[in-house]
Amino acid sequence: TQLLEQSPQFLSIQEGENLTVYCNSSSVFSSLQWYRQEPGEGPVLLVTVVTGGEVKKLKRLTFQFGDARKDSSLHITAAQPGDTGLYLCAGISGTYKYIFGTGTRLKVLA
Amino acid sequence: NAGVTQTPKFRVLKTGQSMTLLCAQDMNHEYMYWYRQDPGMGLRLIHYSVGEGTTAKGEVPDGYNVSRLKKQNFLLGLESAAPSQTSVYFCASSDREVVDTQYFGPGTRLTVL
Repeated sequence: TQLLEQSPQFLSIQEGENLTVYCNSSSVFSSLQWYRQEPGEGPVLLVTVVTGGEVKKLKRLTFQFGDARKDSSLHITAAQPGDTGLYLCAGISGTYKYIFGTGTRLKVLA
Repeated sequence: NAGVTQTPKFRVLKTGQSMTLLCAQDMNHEYMYWYRQDPGMGLRLIHYSVGEGTTAKGEVPDGYNVSRLKKQNFLLGLESAAPSQTSVYFCASSDREVVDTQYFGPGTRLTVL
């Protein structure tokens, strides 16, 4: 069974701090996605990374795919209360085969 | 466009009861999916469909059935609900050309007593 472990599970930080969330697996994925989910809503896709070593930036969010395509990280610079939510990574290893991570719940305090 | 909608939003069942969750999308997407989300386990794929009239099993299909009679609708059925099926259920859809971009509905919170 493929697993995607995310760390940390919970994170509570002050506005303006930086943070990194990790997504790790022993399996290789063809691509990896990051989602953000707010209470009472479904996940919303933030980014898809495809190439090993790829780095993508989305305003204050930086996403990196590991060289071996087994892990990924999400770095947020100068976190804001609007970044609060559940962050999920999802590895794709074949058509329709999405493996979601265990999630990181982030709370940014004003 | 409403995107992906799910009904109902909340439901409480007794063990052994049956129910159907409805997912509708107005984006003319070919592919539709049903997931369940449980604490500490992320989302797990129950069943999916690659087009009208087709369905396939995902990672955790036992205890569920699905139907895709119309392209815009994907139904998830529980014939005899069990407490282990207490969860939040999400439907998603994606386009044939951009399969990896899934659009999720707002979810249905189901409690089985």
